[in-house]
Amino acid sequence: DQQVKQNSPSLSVQEGRISILNCDYTNSMFDYFLWYKKYPAEGPTFLISISSIKDKNEDGRFTVFLNKSAKHLSLHIVPSQPGDSAVYFCAASGWDNQGGKLIFGQGTELSVKP
Amino acid sequence: DTEVTQTPKHLVMGMTNKKSLKCEQHMGHRAMYWYKQKAKKPPELMFVYSYEKLSINESVPSRFSPECPNSSLLNLHLHALQPEDSALYLCASSQMTSGLLGNEQFFGPGTRLTVL
Repeated sequence: DQQVKQNSPSLSVQEGRISILNCDYTNSMFDYFLWYKKYPAEGPTFLISISSIKDKNEDGRFTVFLNKSAKHLSLHIVPSQPGDSAVYFCAASGWDNQGGKLIFGQGTELSVKP
Repeated sequence: DTEVTQTPKHLVMGMTNKKSLKCEQHMGHRAMYWYKQKAKKPPELMFVYSYEKLSINESVPSRFSPECPNSSLLNLHLHALQPEDSALYLCASSQMTSGLLGNEQFFGPGTRLTVL
């Protein structure tokens, strides 16, 4: 049972336009949501996160929106740049006494074309 | 220092070999993780150490043996692996606290393992 889903395996966007990556989750107990960016043959790099008590978090060109009633979050990148081309993973977490455990979506491969 | 380092970068081993992967962080994080990642797939959690104690083992086969010698180091000992174990092995760390900071995991660059 996939608790975190990214239904679009790939997305292609023109440079300068907005990229919107989507993520859905099923477990209402998740407290935190994170986005990671991954280049081939490298480890994931933390991008931005949001707590379940907020509906928006912004950091430069990156904004994450959370809609708890729809169990949906999205990552907006504006303006998109060719260097943003990578695989983006959405992850969810609920802290418990065993330590933080991230549940990852399947990833969306973003391609930003010049 | 906000870096997680992993050695070696690449490892090729036979099915009868014994090898170890190493991970180090100096951010004072007290939670450390091993993940396995296959191409085009998300990272798959293997083990979690909290305050140097194993807190989560995601039903990983015993041919993978984790070790946490101290709060900065994490090892993964490999023995009698199978070709299907070939993957990118990622180490991560996070603060041992509740809240957003405790959930932000910092990943190393990974070790690309090939089992022949």
